[in-house]
Amino acid sequence: DAGITQSPRYKITETGRQVTLMCHQTWSHSYMFWYRQDLGHGLRLIYYSAAADITDKGEVPDGYVVSRSKTENFPLTLESATRSQTSVYFCASSEWGQGAGEQYFGPGTRLTVT
Amino acid sequence: QKEVEQNSGPLSVPEGAIASLNCTYSDRGSQSFFWYRQYSGKSPELIMFIYSNGDKEDGRFTAQLNKASQYVSLLIRDSQPSDSATYLCAVKFADSWGKFQFGAGTQVVVTP
Repeated sequence: DAGITQSPRYKITETGRQVTLMCHQTWSHSYMFWYRQDLGHGLRLIYYSAAADITDKGEVPDGYVVSRSKTENFPLTLESATRSQTSVYFCASSEWGQGAGEQYFGPGTRLTVT
Repeated sequence: QKEVEQNSGPLSVPEGAIASLNCTYSDRGSQSFFWYRQYSGKSPELIMFIYSNGDKEDGRFTAQLNKASQYVSLLIRDSQPSDSATYLCAVKFADSWGKFQFGAGTQVVVTP
């Protein structure tokens, strides 16, 4: 199906482990984004990408790594997970010059770090 | 720091009434403004966007933008229990490369 998907939907991991969250979109959108959402903080931007091989930090990038070798994929890696990274992670995409640049969100990944 | 402010609520609205949600932003150079609805445990879903001063209507939703006063609002007419959700305001700034700044959201509860 067309759209934006995330995997896994739920993940429990231990402190210190590396975890990769996957994001895939079928619209060929140029822009992709990773957010985390925590109670009391709303949606905070972790990293974003303007195109394949072009990425940049957002508001809360520490402890995260991204890559974008293909337009449709934008994985987010937690290099050494910490309890403070327990959160709900959303991937989003948008296209430059399309509409007002509205972002469309994936279903989210609920990550728990024990 | 570019900021987007919303009242956290909850905003309690009787069924059939109008819900009025407000959002203020700090950067006068802001270009586009978005309203998202988020049900508990779900991802944000785009309701509508606006980028010109004035009103924009889409079904039971009306977005209002006043750039001089730096606020954007969302009206929900004939509120239904299914409108109970958190509403997120998002702003795209002029130099943002497509990035948004989100408000913390307003929780709306529609009571039958």
